[in-house]
Amino acid sequence: GESVGLHLPTLSVQEGDNSIINCAYSNSASDYFIWYKQESGKGPQFIIDIRSNMDKRQGQRVTVLLNKTVKHLSLQIAATQPGDSAVYFCAENYGGSQGNLIFGKGTKLSVKP
Amino acid sequence: DAGVIQSPRHEVTEMGQEVTLRCKPISGHNSLFWYRQTMMRGLELLIYFNNNVPIDDSGMPEDRFSAKMPNASFSTLKIQPSEPRDSAVYFCASSPQGALNTEAFFGQGTRLTVV
Repeated sequence: GESVGLHLPTLSVQEGDNSIINCAYSNSASDYFIWYKQESGKGPQFIIDIRSNMDKRQGQRVTVLLNKTVKHLSLQIAATQPGDSAVYFCAENYGGSQGNLIFGKGTKLSVKP
Repeated sequence: DAGVIQSPRHEVTEMGQEVTLRCKPISGHNSLFWYRQTMMRGLELLIYFNNNVPIDDSGMPEDRFSAKMPNASFSTLKIQPSEPRDSAVYFCASSPQGALNTEAFFGQGTRLTVV
């Protein structure tokens, strides 16, 4: 079956640098995408979402880019802070229902002081 | 709002025993989801409910797993009999809309260890 995958399982960045976490999805019918952050011992926490009719969406220090041509999603974190250290998951939704939210394996982001 | 509340936070049980995980969704949310998280398989959707009705249980691994939602504020996930391969973190999540694309709010999870 189709699934969401990640290019990089781990990412280490220096505090203050920008981080880019990538995600490839395989289902061209997916119309909604979410990035979640999961800290150790906690449940995933919503960061930002984007719908398929958009290419870019910005939040506070975070930007999500969607390239439907190559089925690629990325999360950019500006001025990465130690508190950003976590596992980041991208998830795709196809079929118009939250219940079809499929998660990738995750990328671990480590921020060095 | 206290968010999605799951209990217990940790459960250790012996193989063959029955395990019941509990979830209280955020008040007013009409969709509820059960996920399982392992290192090997990541986050997998097991089942989700909309307005207390199971909509899709295709992710439930086998008949040993069952889920109920008797009312809008409570759901259970039961494993009977439990097996070591069921060891994982089980998350419950809820969202205010089941039909439209919205984020899901996750609980803290229940870490299940079957020995």
